[in-house]
Amino acid sequence: KNQVEQSPQSLIILEGKNCTLQCNYTVSPFSNLRWYKQDTGRGPVSLTIMTFSENTKSNGRYTATLDADTKQSSLHITASQLSDSASYICVVSLLEGAAGNKLTFGGGTRVLVKP
Amino acid sequence: KAGVTQTPRYLIKTRGQQVTLSCSPISGHRSVSWYQQTPGQGLQFLFEYFSETQRNKGNFPGRFSGRQFSNSRSEMNVSTLELGDSALYLCASSTGTSGPRGNNEQFFGPGTRLTVL
Repeated sequence: KNQVEQSPQSLIILEGKNCTLQCNYTVSPFSNLRWYKQDTGRGPVSLTIMTFSENTKSNGRYTATLDADTKQSSLHITASQLSDSASYICVVSLLEGAAGNKLTFGGGTRVLVKP
Repeated sequence: KAGVTQTPRYLIKTRGQQVTLSCSPISGHRSVSWYQQTPGQGLQFLFEYFSETQRNKGNFPGRFSGRQFSNSRSEMNVSTLELGDSALYLCASSTGTSGPRGNNEQFFGPGTRLTVL
């Protein structure tokens, strides 16, 4: 069964500190992996998209890494800000043309940045 | 370019009623996908429409249905509402076709918060 597991479920960090979120997946055949940021009560916003041949992608203070061999990804937030408080969702896409549901979502990691 | 819009933003219904939610995709996007998000289950895929045809479907009962119009706008209908249908319903639009890098990005709307009493 295609699954995406995220850890930790929640995280509290102090403003200015760094943190790393983890995503493990069993989706196959794999097409790409995305990280989304979702503020409370709003729709998710894409942070990064990586295909199997990419192992790192940055978007400002957000850096995502991908190890397609071990099927693991991480999202690193540098110098956290209060506005980083949100849920971060890892989403893995099946290869185009594969049968079934194309996207599998992780449960998300809720990050709270405190001053 | 305007983003994905969803209406209404909030809705309160009672058990047994039916509801229709609307989604207008980004101009030029032909694919609209619908998702249900609850605290316990996270984001779950409902179905995807592309060029007025349902292209993919998740594991939801037949009470959940949708359609897409020629202008790519999409509606989702839930009949015989149950308490467990209370959720944030999100739609996402995309071009519907992947480039050579396979990264057909989806853009989400703000969602419709449905409460079933």
